[in-house]
Formats: sequence, structure tokens, C-alpha cells
Amino acid sequence: AQTVTQSQPEMSVQEAETVTLSCTYDTSESDYYLFWYKQPPSRQMILVIRQEAYKQQNATENRFSVNFQKAAKSFSLKISDSQLGDAAMYFCASDAGGTSYGKLTFGQGTILTVHP
Amino acid sequence: EAGVAQSPRYKIIEKRQSVAFWCNPISGHATLYWYQQILGQGPKLLIQFQNNGVVDDSQLPKDRFSAERLKGVDSTLKIQPAKLEDSAVYLCASSSHTGTYFGPGTRLTVL
Repeated sequence: AQTVTQSQPEMSVQEAETVTLSCTYDTSESDYYLFWYKQPPSRQMILVIRQEAYKQQNATENRFSVNFQKAAKSFSLKISDSQLGDAAMYFCASDAGGTSYGKLTFGQGTILTVHP
Repeated sequence: EAGVAQSPRYKIIEKRQSVAFWCNPISGHATLYWYQQILGQGPKLLIQFQNNGVVDDSQLPKDRFSAERLKGVDSTLKIQPAKLEDSAVYLCASSSHTGTYFGPGTRLTVL
């Protein structure tokens, strides 16, 4: 079984500044994947970034990057140059890979507010 | 590439009534999922299909929920009879090697 924990119910950031959202996870799998999803008020879940556990290099997607610490089972999301459109609920998620690839376990979510 | 399609977007019913949701996954995605997201929580998996077969329905309340994917493409999720605690957003998703992609969801309100 997998568990995902997001300990920050809410975070805020000033426009153009940087914010980091925290996530820890637990899994007994050796081959797994980690994700960050963004959910705006429309409730559409949007894939932000994906990390394969076997890769040591941290994933990046434009202004979004992760700090993946495998031994600590930590997977934080850094948003640089924050924009008003980044305001949303952010979910950290994991899947066990293999035949369970795509079957996601989600954290509780972090509401991100961006101040102009 | 078209995304995951779902309908209806919103549904309001009274308790003990029945309701059905429809999902069309991204073309070529063999794996399809239904998730339930209660307000303020992360989505929870209800059922996973691989083509037209069920892979995991361990979290599906089978006394009232049913789902099918007869031709391995579209899927329907049904609730019969609905309870107040079924009020949630029902998300359909499909996956490929690049990740899992979600539809816009159906927001169900049970009165």
C-alpha cells in the first residue's frame, strides 16, 4: 500500500516570487512514479510534473521543478516566478508502477494563493 | 489530441434516485479509471479497467455502484440508489506511459 502526505493545507506567495510545496510518501515498491497535479476551481486535474523513482535527476517543466529525495521519501514542488494563474489546489500523487501504473494515491492537497 | 471527455458536468438528484455518468478516454489509452473526490479531499480510486476488463474494484461500494466498459473504450458509472454521502465530483481518467490524464469531472449533488 502507498500513502502520500501533504502537511501544508494552505500556502501563499507573492506574484513573481518562488514557493515550495511539500510532500512525503511511503511505499514498499522499488519501481514507482510521483506526480504533482494542479486543480483550479473548475475541478479539472492538470498534470504538472512527473518523476520516475529510478531517475536521480530532478524533473523540471518550465517554471516548475521538483526536489526528489528518495531516501527521505520526500517530493517537493518548487514554483518559480509565480503567476496569478498558478493559484489552485495542488495534489501530490504516487503510483506503484508495473501493472499498477496509472493507479494513483493522492495526498490531501495544498491550496496555493498567489497575491498580486 | 482530444482529452478525456465526461458528461454530464453537473447533476442534482434526490437520495434514493439513480444516476449514470459517461466517460470517453483519450484515444488509444487502454487503461481507464473512475475516481471519487469529496470536497476538500484528494481523489480516491473507485475502479480500474484494462480494455474491457476490471483490474481493481476493491474500493467500489458494489451494493450501490456499478461500472462497465463493454467495448473497451467508453465507460459508464452508475449509482443506484444514491445516498447523501455520494455527493462528490466523479473523475474519469485514462493513462499512457507519459502519465494519467483526467477529464473535467461530473459534480454530483444528492439532496
